[in-house]
Amino acid sequence: QVQLVQSGAEVKEPGASVKVSCKASGYTFTGYYIHWVRQAPGQGLEWMGWINPKSGGTNYAQKFRGRVTMTRDTSISTAYMELSRLRSDDTAVYYCASDLGKTDMTTAAYYFDYWGQGTLVTVSS
Amino acid sequence: EIVLTQSPATLSLSPGERATLSCRASQSVSSYLAWYQQTPGQAPRLLIYDASNRATGIPARFSGSGSGTDFTLTISSLEPEDFAVYYCQQRSSPGTFGPGTKVDIK
Repeated sequence: QVQLVQSGAEVKEPGASVKVSCKASGYTFTGYYIHWVRQAPGQGLEWMGWINPKSGGTNYAQKFRGRVTMTRDTSISTAYMELSRLRSDDTAVYYCASDLGKTDMTTAAYYFDYWGQGTLVTVSS
Repeated sequence: EIVLTQSPATLSLSPGERATLSCRASQSVSSYLAWYQQTPGQAPRLLIYDASNRATGIPARFSGSGSGTDFTLTISSLEPEDFAVYYCQQRSSPGTFGPGTKVDIK
């Protein structure tokens, strides 16, 4: 079965960076886009961007450009999201999610099919 | 940027009742709208995409309708596991979610 397993919770100081991993199994990793979505405590969902695991191409939400970097390692079917210059309002659960559409398409479908369990990132001094 | 609004914010119903949730877009998104369910402490779950297509494994009691700016998620008969928060999301202006509707037990 399809599974996305994320790395564990992180506590970071303001100004630091965090890198969250998302290991895929049960399907062809390079076949589907991977998105990152975050959710602040008690709040709604916010899309951050996607990576095409096949090509390495990325598309980031305007809000995060310059601070977020999404990468992948196809040899271990793992995607990564690194967020830099952390602020207190970056405290959130960060999710990876696979796209409903295949990487054969020129862009993602932007429908989030399978989700990781989430990684809590706490930014506090 | 396209803004999604959802109503009501909270819907209080009993098991077995019908739930009707609304999502409105600030401009047309054609049929490019999805619905997700989220229970406390869990990741969201895709229910409906392209306004009316059920995702894999989603029970038939969930149905979606609408196009343009007005969309509806209907749960025909609430099961205990359906009490959750529901989000709509559009893909025309990538990735935007609505604020959610909480369906709780009356």
